[in-house]
Amino acid sequence: NAGVTQTPKFQVLKTGQSMTLQCAQDMNHEYMSWYRQDPGMGLRLIHYSVGAGITDQGEVPNGYNVSRSTTEDFPLRLLSAAPSQTSVYFCASSDVEPGQGGAYGYTFGSGTRLTVV
Amino acid sequence: GDSVTQMEGPVTLSEEAFLTINCTYTATGYPSLFWYVQYPGEGLQLLLKATKADDKGSNKGFEATYRKETTSFHLEKGSVQVSDSAVYFCALSVPGGGNKLTFGTGTQLKVEL
Repeated sequence: NAGVTQTPKFQVLKTGQSMTLQCAQDMNHEYMSWYRQDPGMGLRLIHYSVGAGITDQGEVPNGYNVSRSTTEDFPLRLLSAAPSQTSVYFCASSDVEPGQGGAYGYTFGSGTRLTVV
Repeated sequence: GDSVTQMEGPVTLSEEAFLTINCTYTATGYPSLFWYVQYPGEGLQLLLKATKADDKGSNKGFEATYRKETTSFHLEKGSVQVSDSAVYFCALSVPGGGNKLTFGTGTQLKVEL
């Protein structure tokens, strides 16, 4: 089925460990983003990409790295996990709506619930 | 910077009641506006959108009108159902901003029989 696939769905890490959250989309979308969702704060942008080989920081990038070697994949790396990174992480992708200059809805994955102890 | 302000929840309604969830925004450019819905344990789904002033987005009985003069995009539904229970997020995207979304904090809706 077409869409955004995130793995794993759940993960528990110890402080200081590293890991990679995987995100893949099969819709040939150029734009991909990572968000974290915390209670009372909505979703906040971590990193985003406007195409293969191009990434940029969002609102809360510290402690996270990304790369975009292919159009399909956009992994998020936690370098040294901290309890403050306990959150639900969502990957999203979109295409540019023709003639609208970038105003199109995103397709979201089902999320990764991460707990850092 | 860009921001979205939503009314705080939770909102509890009886089935068939009228729903309004307020959303106002500030943006440096001419944004597109969105409502997303998140059902328990799931990711976000696009509910409706509007890309220019006075546009009305609609889907599944929900409506929202882009009001540039009041910088608002309030979500309405005439008769809610138990199945509408979810968290609703208002969001904006500014052209040329990398298609990034700025979200409000979300409003939880609970519909009871």
